[in-house]
Amino acid sequence: GQQVMQIPQYQHVQEGEDFTTYCNSSTTLSNIQWYKQRPGGHPVFLIQLVKSGEVKKQKRLTFQFGEAKKNSSLHITATQTTDVGTYFCAGRRNDMRFGAGTRLTVKP
Amino acid sequence: ETGVTQTPRHLVMGMTNKKSLKCEQHLGHNAMYWYKQSAKKPLELMFVYSLEERVENNSVPSRFSPECPNSSHLFLHLHTLQPEDSALYLCASSQVASGGNTGELFFGEGSRLTVL
Repeated sequence: GQQVMQIPQYQHVQEGEDFTTYCNSSTTLSNIQWYKQRPGGHPVFLIQLVKSGEVKKQKRLTFQFGEAKKNSSLHITATQTTDVGTYFCAGRRNDMRFGAGTRLTVKP
Repeated sequence: ETGVTQTPRHLVMGMTNKKSLKCEQHLGHNAMYWYKQSAKKPLELMFVYSLEERVENNSVPSRFSPECPNSSHLFLHLHTLQPEDSALYLCASSQVASGGNTGELFFGEGSRLTVL
């Protein structure tokens, strides 16, 4: 069945360092979404990627969708303490499947 | 405020109890979802009501029973749960396009369930 794997599980960075999380699907996806969940909060939608090779930017966040539409990445440049939380990808083929998430902690 | 309201926020119940979780969305969406979030596991899709059709995950035990009386309200009825069912239960809604594209999920704050 469709599986979405996300790595790393945890990432601890010094404030100002960059951060990347990767998402890989066992099957070709129709689209992929990214969500952020702050500690004690609920997932909040960040972005959706649909096209092969698509790249989208939101300020310090850069999202990429692979050419084969089976992988995606989220890159944060110069992390800040407000970036703390767990970042989830969710890939859609027949239904939406979430990755296990990458928990980011940032040391001031 | 996400437009999706869940009650109760916290629930403690014994294994023989019957309780219900409630979700209401004020966004005019046509699909509603129940997700289970356990520590160190991916968000697990439990049930979907989309375009007035119920789609369920076959791995969900029968002690969980969903009810969707209309497009704005969703319930999860709980009966004879097990301690391993303790988790955060998240409700979400979205607007599903005619082609089936799920669209952005709007999550509620969640109901933290503890089964003793």
